[in-house]
Amino acid sequence: ETGVTQSPTHLIKTRGQQVTLRCSSQSGHNTVSWYQQALGQGPQFIFQYYREEENGRGNFPPRFSGLQFPNYSSELNVNALELDDSALYLCASSLETSGRGQFFGPGTRLTVL
Amino acid sequence: AQKITQTQPGMFVQEKEAVTLDCTYDTSDQSYGLFWYKQPSSGEMIFLIYQGSYDEQNATEGRYSLNFQKARKSANLVISASQLGDSAMYFCAMRDPYGGSQGNLIFGKGTKLSVKP
Repeated sequence: ETGVTQSPTHLIKTRGQQVTLRCSSQSGHNTVSWYQQALGQGPQFIFQYYREEENGRGNFPPRFSGLQFPNYSSELNVNALELDDSALYLCASSLETSGRGQFFGPGTRLTVL
Repeated sequence: AQKITQTQPGMFVQEKEAVTLDCTYDTSDQSYGLFWYKQPSSGEMIFLIYQGSYDEQNATEGRYSLNFQKARKSANLVISASQLGDSAMYFCAMRDPYGGSQGNLIFGKGTKLSVKP
């Protein structure tokens, strides 16, 4: 059974650019949640996808968008990057939407210059 | 609104000793779930333990136990027999039922645990 994987591991972008981060959920998991973790802070919820539909969203602007594919893998897209978008982006998958037993990937560290 | 507070930015513990990491929470709900995660320097969040608000007994998972005091709204993590590999950030989290979904987590700011040999 493979765990949650994320790509790329690290990414450097400049302000104003667009970025796509990818997440493969754990085998059999149909729910993917994305979190942003700024340096020295706890993760903050961005949004969640359940069976290819957005199933909830945190306090993030519309330039943060996502997709979930039929195989339950997911993408996080961020447009018009800002310096404050520099963070570790974590993807978590689970079998249900209850939140219990979310399994996290290793994260993608995004640096915006 | 739900909130998690971790008041210890950093903690030191001697190898083989026990350590308690504090967590208090704020919620008006009767049904809620509390989690502890470990985050090594590699970045991955590792699930440690879960406590449901209606669970009558404190949760235990190997060397990890959760000291759940509902009236005080505290959910402290106890690590027994600390090991050098326990050095990491530890996050307390709560499931947020009002975040637009049923499954997102609200995290505290974390506690950095350092185990001394």
